[in-house]
Amino acid sequence: DTAVSQTPKYLVTQMGNDKSIKCEQNLGHDTMYWYKQDSKKFLKIMFSYNNKELIINETVPNRFSPKSPDKAHLNLHINSLELGDSAVYFCASSQGGGGYNEQFFGPGTRLTVL
Amino acid sequence: AQTVTQSQPEMSVQEAETVTLSCTYDTSESDYYLFWYKQPPSRQMILVIRQEAYKQQNATENRFSVNFQKAAKSFSLKISDSQLGDAAMYFCAYRRAGSYQLTFGKGTKLSVIP
Repeated sequence: DTAVSQTPKYLVTQMGNDKSIKCEQNLGHDTMYWYKQDSKKFLKIMFSYNNKELIINETVPNRFSPKSPDKAHLNLHINSLELGDSAVYFCASSQGGGGYNEQFFGPGTRLTVL
Repeated sequence: AQTVTQSQPEMSVQEAETVTLSCTYDTSESDYYLFWYKQPPSRQMILVIRQEAYKQQNATENRFSVNFQKAAKSFSLKISDSQLGDAAMYFCAYRRAGSYQLTFGKGTKLSVIP
């Protein structure tokens, strides 16, 4: 069983479209994250939810909106896609977050905006 | 703001030899946690090893060990008896105690030469 799963794994779309990436974890964790990895492999936090409450909201365009329907799911919706949104997006989860806890990552979603 | 610096964009090592990857970080905190993550070509982020700043003893996980120098703010990763499967991007990461946020370095691409 996959601990943190993301769908889809690949997403190719046109500029201006709206798309969503779904994330689910079956580890029973209470904290979930979205990261963006750019073409130079730099990994940066975008959002984090703890018990469905937004706790990290980094400086990202408001075209990006996370939604957490429950503790096991954290989806990322992107409006009006732009070329610069092309990247790999990773979902992660952890039990709590403020210490030694390991973050478990999903396999990533490669988004290509044409 | 905390920063994590990995000064070696790329490194290579002969199979069965030892290699050390460098990481330095900048923080004014005294309580924090440090991590090394591995990202093979499959894209999956995997935790390799972690260290609590208040522990002086260096962490070890099988062939992986760290050299943690708190005063120098240095956290290097040593891989012994390198194997072909160790070829990957390696990311150093920092988390302040009580924070949910992981700050990553830009990564070091490690190649293993048979």
